[in-house]
Amino acid sequence: QVQLVESGGGVVQPGRSLRLSCAASGFTFSSYDMHWVRQAPGKGLEWVAVISYDRGKKYYADSVKGRFTISRDNSKNTLYLQMNSLRAEDTAVYYCAKEGDVSGWYYFDSWGQGTLVTVSS
Amino acid sequence: EIVLTQSPGTLSLSPGERATLSCRASQIVSSSYLAWYQQRPGQAPRLLIYGASSRATGIPDRFSGSGSGTDFTLTISRLEPEDFAVYYCQQYGSSLWTFGQGTKVEIK
Repeated sequence: QVQLVESGGGVVQPGRSLRLSCAASGFTFSSYDMHWVRQAPGKGLEWVAVISYDRGKKYYADSVKGRFTISRDNSKNTLYLQMNSLRAEDTAVYYCAKEGDVSGWYYFDSWGQGTLVTVSS
Repeated sequence: EIVLTQSPGTLSLSPGERATLSCRASQIVSSSYLAWYQQRPGQAPRLLIYGASSRATGIPDRFSGSGSGTDFTLTISRLEPEDFAVYYCQQYGSSLWTFGQGTKVEIK
């Protein structure tokens, strides 16, 4: 079955950087677009970024554009999120999510358990 | 950017009752691009419905989705104890994905 396992979260000071990873298994990772979605404490879901299966396309939410970079290594079945210039409002649980099997319908059919990023001095 | 507004914010119902959750979009959304998720406390979201009305694998048939254009609905025909959770709608448009703010279904 599909398994997505995030890692790399922790406490970081404002202005510093952090890199999240998401190890994927149970499906052909190189065939699917992958996303990061975050959830601030007690708040709703916010889409962060997407990378196409072949790394050819990357899109970002306005709130992170220019500060965050999504990438992937298909040989390692791993998704990454490089987060620079972190702000207090970036504090959230970060989920990686796999796009659904129906191509071009743009939904998330599998989610990891999330990794908590806390930005605080 | 398309904004999704969910109502009500909280729905207080008893087990066995019917739940009707609304998701309204600020612009027309293709039905193919509308999904619903359930999130229980401390857990990751779980896909319920995609393409506005297609149930995801393993989702009980008491969950159904409907709607088109700017108005979409998630219906839970008879609430089971495990259905008390937060529900989110989500849409795609112009290389952006957005979620509604969520509806909490709580035990009355």
